[in-house]
Amino acid sequence: DTEVTQTPKHLVMGMTNKKSLKCEQHMGHRAMYWYKQKAKKPPELMFVYSYEKLSINESVPSRFSPECPNSSLLNLHLHALQPEDSALYLCASSQGVANYGYTFGSGTRLTVV
Amino acid sequence: SQQGEEDPQALSIQEGENATMNCSYKTSINNLQWYRQNSGRGLVHLILIRSNEREKHSGRLRVTLDTSKKSSSLLITASRAADTASYFCATGSNTGKLIFGQGTTLQVKP
Repeated sequence: DTEVTQTPKHLVMGMTNKKSLKCEQHMGHRAMYWYKQKAKKPPELMFVYSYEKLSINESVPSRFSPECPNSSLLNLHLHALQPEDSALYLCASSQGVANYGYTFGSGTRLTVV
Repeated sequence: SQQGEEDPQALSIQEGENATMNCSYKTSINNLQWYRQNSGRGLVHLILIRSNEREKHSGRLRVTLDTSKKSSSLLITASRAADTASYFCATGSNTGKLIFGQGTTLQVKP
């Protein structure tokens, strides 16, 4: 298995809703990442997990809460989002944090109404 | 935060021609990577070049890195319509921070 699987592919949520994005990989990768991408812009790093521990938080608002339950799973819990949070959310994994290419999932397209 | 600037922002060529994209960055790096993205979906890793390497090849791809000028280039030879996509350079550190440049949109006309 050489894929990163993200669910759901599309999500529409209200500003008072709570939802979660899920990411799964079975490549034995020990680093996992969340990125946010707005239309016609590059991906922006949000969080880095290394060996299931949060190692980097790029000053992301607390309405985004990451969780790494085990080495194969990465969640992003969403609460009280704003319309400007609408974007493509990409999960990625790599063998380690240094000198490895990343494998990206196909993303969750999130719309906040 | 963004690290790299890419040039050109958009490139349109005929099938069979070569495509060259350039990337400049600002701070020291551990490695530089290139990714392709089709239609705003997931990114595909193309190639990684370490800071102590100057050139790397993978199939029709050739990447160069000049750390003294803080720049890199991606050359796609004998382009195909299927190469139409956005291409991003990204600078990697030893902490796992991978920061993407603005990207180049490549259109290859049949």
